[in-house]
Amino acid sequence: GENVEQHPSTLSVQEGDSAVIKCTYSDSASNYFPWYKQELGKRPQLIIDIRSNVGEKKDQRIAVTLNKTAKHFSLHITETQPEDSAVYFCAAIAYNTDKLIFGTGTRLQVFP
Amino acid sequence: DAGVIQSPRHEVTEMGQEVTLRCKPISGHNSLFWYRQTMMRGLELLIYFNNNVPIDDSGMPEDRFSAKMPNASFSTLKIQPSEPRDSAVYFCASSFLGVAASGNTIYFGEGSWLTVV
Repeated sequence: GENVEQHPSTLSVQEGDSAVIKCTYSDSASNYFPWYKQELGKRPQLIIDIRSNVGEKKDQRIAVTLNKTAKHFSLHITETQPEDSAVYFCAAIAYNTDKLIFGTGTRLQVFP
Repeated sequence: DAGVIQSPRHEVTEMGQEVTLRCKPISGHNSLFWYRQTMMRGLELLIYFNNNVPIDDSGMPEDRFSAKMPNASFSTLKIQPSEPRDSAVYFCASSFLGVAASGNTIYFGEGSWLTVV
């Protein structure tokens, strides 16, 4: 089945700097890759997603890139702000199923 | 729409007791998922339903766990008997037509925080 690995597990950056979180997946047929943000005590919420027919997608300060050949995708946050501090999860959809498999999460801390 | 609604939000129960968690998916969504979140194991998919039918329950830990979806607007996750290692946040989530079919992502409820003592 699908397996998703995520790195790093924790990431600390200064406000205004960029943050990059990387994920790899195992099933080459996976075709949908969302990113979720989870604030302390809250539910995971979708922040951006990408399909396998697209290499990059951007939404204001957030971008996601996908390398199908290498089977990895990354989340890029530019001009980080303290409110970006949260746990970020990548996920991949297992081929021919509805099973969204999550990475282990990255705790991002943005220091003012 | 009110989103995915879960109850109870918090539950503390004694070991051996039965626990029932409830979920109301977003109206019109036809796929429903139960996830469990712990520090050690992260977000694990327990079971998911499509059009009220269980499709994959391979993530259900053991026979003490069971889930039902009697209609399109209600699902339960039951643990009987409960054990301290079941302590976790249980999230219900829903989507329209399923993630694979249409790429519509899943939306999570606020979660049920379960503590078994």
